Amino acid sequence: GAVVSQHPSWVICKSGTSVKIECRSLDFQATTMFWYRQFPKQSLMLMATSNEGSKATYEQGVEKDKFLINHASLTLSTLTVTSAHPEDSSFYICSATSGHEQYFGPGTRLTVT
Amino acid sequence: TQLLEQSPQFLSIQEGENLTVYCNSSSVFSSLQWYRQEPGEGPVLLVTVVTGGEVKKLKRLTFQFGDARKDSSLHITAAQPGDTGLYLCAGGEYGNKLVFGAGTILRVKS
Repeated sequence: GAVVSQHPSWVICKSGTSVKIECRSLDFQATTMFWYRQFPKQSLMLMATSNEGSKATYEQGVEKDKFLINHASLTLSTLTVTSAHPEDSSFYICSATSGHEQYFGPGTRLTVT
Repeated sequence: TQLLEQSPQFLSIQEGENLTVYCNSSSVFSSLQWYRQEPGEGPVLLVTVVTGGEVKKLKRLTFQFGDARKDSSLHITAAQPGDTGLYLCAGGEYGNKLVFGAGTILRVKS
């Protein structure tokens, strides 16, 4: 149980375009999901907390207008990277909470050219 | 925001050796989780500890939560090449947020 999926697993886009990443909890409902960013050989950096039915809470230094988060249902949260630039290239990972524990998706590798 | 210091950052050992990874904080956490991550994949939960002094074993891995719930350790006995990966500790905060340590890159050579 407690499976989280992400789509797409990797994406390449041109600078200036927008990219949407989906995060789904497959076998449980999650009122809260989290979005992280990770650089190579580094730990996870929390970007925002996504709450079903309400606005996301962003961590300090994360631009809410650039990283749009929508938590439309108890099993789906989306992250849209708007007007992407090469510096947005990274590994984006979502997680969903079940009880005390967080379960992570497989991640999405974003490359902006 | 609470901080979690994880050490060592890098560890390269021979197959069969033992190792310990530490996570320390000056703050109390409601729970502490250990994850293992392989390149290009998401972290996989290994264990959650919630009670001060708790010890959990998962085959060759032993996890300990400090009595004051401020620190934790992961001990691997007789490491195997398959143990290679990035190990992350994470402390539970309010609202189910996790505070992550910097991670330990473990390489086990055969």
